[in-house]
Order: sequence, then C-alpha cells, then structure tokens
Amino acid sequence: KAGVTQTPRYLIKTRGQQVTLSCSPISGHRSVSWYQQTPGQGLQFLFEYFSETQRNKGNFPGRFSGRQFSNSRSEMNVSTLELGDSALYLCASSSGSGTEAFFGQGTRLTVV
Amino acid sequence: GESVGLHLPTLSVQEGDNSIINCAYSNSASDYFIWYKQESGKGPQFIIDIRSNMDKRQGQRVTVLLNKTVKHLSLQIAATQPGDSAVYFCAENYNQGGKLIFGQGTELSVKP
Repeated sequence: KAGVTQTPRYLIKTRGQQVTLSCSPISGHRSVSWYQQTPGQGLQFLFEYFSETQRNKGNFPGRFSGRQFSNSRSEMNVSTLELGDSALYLCASSSGSGTEAFFGQGTRLTVV
Repeated sequence: GESVGLHLPTLSVQEGDNSIINCAYSNSASDYFIWYKQESGKGPQFIIDIRSNMDKRQGQRVTVLLNKTVKHLSLQIAATQPGDSAVYFCAENYNQGGKLIFGQGTELSVKP
C-alpha cells in the first residue's frame, strides 16, 4: 500500500510569489490535514479536509488556503509569500477522526 | 499557534538502556493520542496510539502510558538502539476531526 505522497519535495520561491503544494493520501483515506513545521514554532495545524470540505482550520492568515478533490488528493496554496513562510509543510492522511494519521515526507519551502 | 516549539529538551541514553519520553497535553477533553518519531529530513512516523479509555498500550519495544488525572503521556522504549535516535512528538486529538495538536518534541540521542 503506497504511503502519503507530497510533491514537490523542495521549492525555492521569491517573496511576493505564490506556491501550490500537493498531497496524495493513502488509498481509501478521506481526511487530509496540513501542518507547518518550523524550528521556532514546532508543528502547527493549518487545516483539514474531509470529503472535499474543509472541516477544521488553524490560526493562519487567509494567504494560506487549500482544497480537496473528489479522489481525496489535496492541494494547499500560499499567496504573497513572506520570508517567514519558509518551513517544512507536512500532509497527513487518515480515514477519519480519532484514527491513525500518517504523514508524508513533506515539502521544504524556502522563501528568499 | 497552538503548538509551542521551543528549545527541544534532549534525552541522552546508552544503547541497550530503556528510554522514557514524557509529554504534557493541553486539553482534558482529548480522547486520542499518538506518538510520532521524526528523523532528520523526514516526515513524522507513526509509532503507537492510545485512546482515553485506556491507561497503557504496548507495541513492539514501545509502551505508551496515559495519566488523564494529570494530563500526562509517556513513551517507553525498551532496549534503545542507535536507530531510535530522533525527535519524538506526542499529539492529541479532541474530537475535532483529524486535527492534531502537537507537543514541542523531545530529541532522543542514543550513544553506542
């Protein structure tokens, strides 16, 4: 069974640009959550999608958005990039709430 | 954000010794907990989980203990090996879909 796949693995963007990250969950999983990981703030929840609907949202500005497709694949978008957006962005998939959540390898975003 | 990432506490153990990693969680209503292991450059790897109706759960070389009275979680690793060196995170879920709240993490260093 394939794990959670995130693409791309690495990205370098310039301030002010926008970026789209992709996540393919484990087959059969309908919940996809996104997290931002930085040395200073640790792992912080961005949002969760379940059956194409945003079910939960963390405390991030509106520049951070996401969506989920009918095949459960998810994308997150960050617009007007800032230097502080440099981080490892992680995607986790699960079959639902209160169940095992499995992470992908992450996308390392560097904003210069 | 809800996850506070500060200077990581470090636990250093000798190969073959047992390790105990502790975690204080934030919400008394949390009903599901997970321990993750994260190696450098990789996403968090699921180790073991426990539900709030249990006090203890055992896996292969690992045991998780849950003390709901003091909102404390611990991970015990038996016969620690160099390959166990990583950062360990606890995460809690309190009936908010797939949203996980992460602890700050503990860096485990195993000396051969």
